[in-house]
Amino acid sequence: KNEVEQSPQNLTAQEGEFITINCSYSVGISALHWLQQHPGGGIVSLFMLSSGKKKHGRLIATINIQEKHSSLHITASHPRDSAVYICAVRRGETSGSRLTFGEGTQLTVNP
Amino acid sequence: DAGVIQSPRHEVTEMGQEVTLRCKPISGHDYLFWYRQTMMRGLELLIYFNNNVPIDDSGMPEDRFSAKMPNASFSTLKIQPSEPRDSAVYFCASSFRPYNEQFFGPGTRLTVL
Repeated sequence: KNEVEQSPQNLTAQEGEFITINCSYSVGISALHWLQQHPGGGIVSLFMLSSGKKKHGRLIATINIQEKHSSLHITASHPRDSAVYICAVRRGETSGSRLTFGEGTQLTVNP
Repeated sequence: DAGVIQSPRHEVTEMGQEVTLRCKPISGHDYLFWYRQTMMRGLELLIYFNNNVPIDDSGMPEDRFSAKMPNASFSTLKIQPSEPRDSAVYFCASSFRPYNEQFFGPGTRLTVL
């Protein structure tokens, strides 16, 4: 079993829909990252969070440390949101800066 | 700042050849990471440096892989000899603190024939 699991693996939505991508992990962590990988391959960091909720534009990320679960929400989705969304966790402080990645969720938003 | 710079963007080589990938981190960032991405295994950390010193190289797959950071503005990842299974996209990333957001370069797509 992977330490970081994402669901769904693939997601197709219509423009304007509310989207949720889930990430579950099985280890103690100090932080969780959400990354976006564009169709061209570039990777952008969206959020880094260790508790609660963060919002940036139409994107919202939440984390529940007790349940070892995080969600990434996209409101009013748009075709330009089509990308792979990757969850990554940093384990406890003694593990240094190593990140463990989920397999990613391929999101396609149709006009 | 121009962001993290990687070169080359694409590399096609034949099995057995030496391959050198290059990375220039964002100025002022003291952490540098090398990642490999494949369809089968996704993103994996190969090695990371702090202040030019390798801290964790446990992800380096074999002795054929080596990485150096001779100064704060330059790092190389070398594969010698290269094999077809090394074909992947190699990303370099940097951060200002160990637990801060990491900024990724555009990646080098390596194809070993």
